Amino acid sequence: GDSVTQMEGPVTLSEEAFLTINCTYTATGYPSLFWYVQYPGEGLQLLLKATKADDKGSNKGFEATYRKETTSFHLEKGSVQVSDSAVYFCAFLLTGGGNKLTFGTGTQLKVEL
Amino acid sequence: EAGVVQSPRYKIIEKKQPVAFWCNPISGHNTLYWYRQNLGQGPELLIRYENEEAVDDSQLPKDRFSAERLKGVDSTLKIQPAELGDSAVYLCASSFGQGKQETQYFGPGTRLLVL
Repeated sequence: GDSVTQMEGPVTLSEEAFLTINCTYTATGYPSLFWYVQYPGEGLQLLLKATKADDKGSNKGFEATYRKETTSFHLEKGSVQVSDSAVYFCAFLLTGGGNKLTFGTGTQLKVEL
Repeated sequence: EAGVVQSPRYKIIEKKQPVAFWCNPISGHNTLYWYRQNLGQGPELLIRYENEEAVDDSQLPKDRFSAERLKGVDSTLKIQPAELGDSAVYLCASSFGQGKQETQYFGPGTRLLVL
């Protein structure tokens, strides 16, 4: 069935380190792809999205490229900050799937000084 | 522009008691979603409304869960009676329309603890 697989956390990095969080999807169709972020005690916030192959979504220094050939949407940031500590969720949306966002289980990121 | 508003933020109840959650979507958004997020998991869709019509409630446990969106704006999700396994965060989201171009905006959620 349709699903999202994310790398397990927690991921612990030092400030200014390079971040990669892997995400792959299995979907019957041509989905839009999203990264949402959840800070402690808060709801989900859209971080970035891409709606077609080879599109790059970017926001706040984070980037992810829609790779249709590898069904992946890996999240990257060149230099993380303590304020980036949160849980990151990869998700996709298929119009034929009832507009339902299908989420991964989330990856917790901890950034230390 | 105000975001999606949910209340209460936290609720603690004993099992077998009823509970209700309220959501006010972003102004002008005609599509409203209720998701449930279990601890350590991603959110899962419970029900989706287009205006006042529930167009996808296939994942809603209808024996104890109900929802309404009478005027096509705000919405209420109810559980009666609550069970221990219902402890989770209940998230409301809204979007302007439907289709994979539309971004869903989430509220802060209601954290439910059933004792």
